Amino acid sequence: DAGVTQSPTHLIKTRGQQVTLRCSPKSGHDTVSWYQQALGQGPQFIFQYYEEEERQRGNFPDRFSGHQFPNYSSELNVNALLLGDSALYLCASSLGTGRTGELFFGEGSRLTVL
Amino acid sequence: QKEVEQNSGPLSVPEGAIASLNCTYSDRGSQSFFWYRQYSGKSPELIMFIYSNGDKEDGRFTAQLNKASQYVSLLIRDSQPSDSATYLCAVGGGTSYGKLTFGQGTILTVHP
Repeated sequence: DAGVTQSPTHLIKTRGQQVTLRCSPKSGHDTVSWYQQALGQGPQFIFQYYEEEERQRGNFPDRFSGHQFPNYSSELNVNALLLGDSALYLCASSLGTGRTGELFFGEGSRLTVL
Repeated sequence: QKEVEQNSGPLSVPEGAIASLNCTYSDRGSQSFFWYRQYSGKSPELIMFIYSNGDKEDGRFTAQLNKASQYVSLLIRDSQPSDSATYLCAVGGGTSYGKLTFGQGTILTVHP
């Protein structure tokens, strides 16, 4: 049973560039959430996708956008990268109905913006 | 005021001792409470969740919830060096339905 998989694991970009991160949820899960974790901080919620729609969004600018595909996999896109976007980007999958449930995290994509 | 605040660390305890980790939250409508463990360079791993007031035990771990005081804690009994990690408190439900709000984490070191 595959867990949550993310790609790429590491990447380096320069300011102003664009990046796309990918996530495949745990088998049987239909909801994908994205979190940003800066060094020494807890993860911060970016947004959540369920049934191919953005269900809730955290306090992140429109430069951060996403998509969910019919097979429940998801992408996170960040445009016009800033130095402050350097962080570990975590994808978490869960079952979408009912109260907030357990999240299963992938190993993350570590983004460095130079 | 931070939405979820954890006791400042780092916390250092000797092997075999009880480690106590604390967390307070601001959204009184919160419904679900989680403790995640994160080893250095790894992703968070769920170790406990609790939805109702009181205690919940799982092996060496006990989660305690007091909604009136908006307080969650995690006790680790018989601490082992392998418990050394960052512990993240996360809160969900209420007005933040659909997302978890994490605290900043508490670094725990268990020394032999």
